[in-house]
Amino acid sequence: GESVGLHLPTLSVQEGDNSIINCAYSNSASDYFIWYKQESGKGPQFIIDIRSNMDKRQGQRVTVLLNKTVKHLSLQIAATQPGDSAVYFCAERRVTGGGNKLTFGTGTQLKVEL
Amino acid sequence: NAGVTQTPKFQVLKTGQSMTLQCAQDMNHEYMSWYRQDPGMGLRLIHYSVGAGITDQGEVPNGYNVSRSTTEDFPLRLLSAAPSQTSVYFCASSQRTGGANVLTFGAGSRLTVL
Repeated sequence: GESVGLHLPTLSVQEGDNSIINCAYSNSASDYFIWYKQESGKGPQFIIDIRSNMDKRQGQRVTVLLNKTVKHLSLQIAATQPGDSAVYFCAERRVTGGGNKLTFGTGTQLKVEL
Repeated sequence: NAGVTQTPKFQVLKTGQSMTLQCAQDMNHEYMSWYRQDPGMGLRLIHYSVGAGITDQGEVPNGYNVSRSTTEDFPLRLLSAAPSQTSVYFCASSQRTGGANVLTFGAGSRLTVL
């Protein structure tokens, strides 16, 4: 079947440390993988995406790694800050006849300890 | 630039009542969608639209209707509310092509069905 799942529901890190949030997927037909951040009481916000033909993509303090061999996706946050505390969702995109369709994972809660 | 605006933010219904969740975007996005978010289940696609006059079902469409008479508006209708529809609802929009991964979400509408 098709699924996008997360390894850990909650991740606690010390301020200043690096965070790694993991995600497993099973649909090889997905052409993009995307990370969203959702702060409490708000809608999800786009962070970064990676095309399926890439292994790594870097943004500002964030890096996404894609391992197609084991169907694994990760989001690395450098020098984690209190403002990074949120739920992080991975999503996969498939192009269908009706347009692009995103399937979201269940989310990982990132808690930054001072 | 307001982005995606959802109303109401909170609503309590009795079983069997009907209501409409409103969604409007001012970014001239072709693609609009509705998701519901339940604890431990991530975001699930209810309905989506790739342009005015075009709608299609997502993952969990039962009990919901949509229409897209204009590019800006994409209301979600509950014809006969059930307790299982208690959830937080998010409307999201994006460009249909190119940056289609960058969904812009509204702030959410929390619905409780008694």
